[in-house]
Amino acid sequence: GDSVTQMEGPVTLSEEAFLTINCTYTATGYPSLFWYVQYPGEGLQLLLKATKADDKGSNKGFEATYRKETTSFHLEKGSVQVSDSAVYFCALSVGNNRLAFGKGNQVVVIP
Amino acid sequence: NAGVTQTPKFQVLKTGQSMTLQCAQDMNHNSMYWYRQDPGMGLRLIYYSASEGTTDKGEVPNGYNVSRLNKREFSLRLESAAPSQTSVYFCASSGGQGPGQPQHFGDGTRLSIL
Repeated sequence: GDSVTQMEGPVTLSEEAFLTINCTYTATGYPSLFWYVQYPGEGLQLLLKATKADDKGSNKGFEATYRKETTSFHLEKGSVQVSDSAVYFCALSVGNNRLAFGKGNQVVVIP
Repeated sequence: NAGVTQTPKFQVLKTGQSMTLQCAQDMNHNSMYWYRQDPGMGLRLIYYSASEGTTDKGEVPNGYNVSRLNKREFSLRLESAAPSQTSVYFCASSGGQGPGQPQHFGDGTRLSIL
């Protein structure tokens, strides 16, 4: 079935470093793709989305481009801050307004 | 800006006890969802309700029941709690037309079963 794969393991980096979190998907049809962020003790918040191939979603300095040819939706940010420390989830729509989530990546930004 | 409200925020139960987790949304959304989040497992869908009056099983429904009480409210019941149900539970809702409708999440219920 439709699914999302995120890179294994936490990501630790220094403030102002470049962040990339990989996300690839398997889907029939043309799903919408999402990135969610979860801060400690909170629920998930939508970070950005893209609904068709070559769309670029962006928000708060984060970007991700819907690449159909590589079935990917990698998240990037050029210069991270300590406040970006959180867990990031990639997700895709699977019909009936449901989403399939990746397992998430913990990002820790060190001052 | 209430959005999705879950109660309670924390709960400790003994094995075999029953419990209902409450969820309400004020965004007039048609669809509502219950997930559980466990370390290393991401979010797994327990049950969902595509519209008022309908409910469907998700990925991990065993041991749970749900009720879509009205358009605003969607409750999750554990009839006989087991330690394997220790988890963080999230309710979400979505609505609107067209592709790419996001889900909006509550802050979660942290449930421990001893």
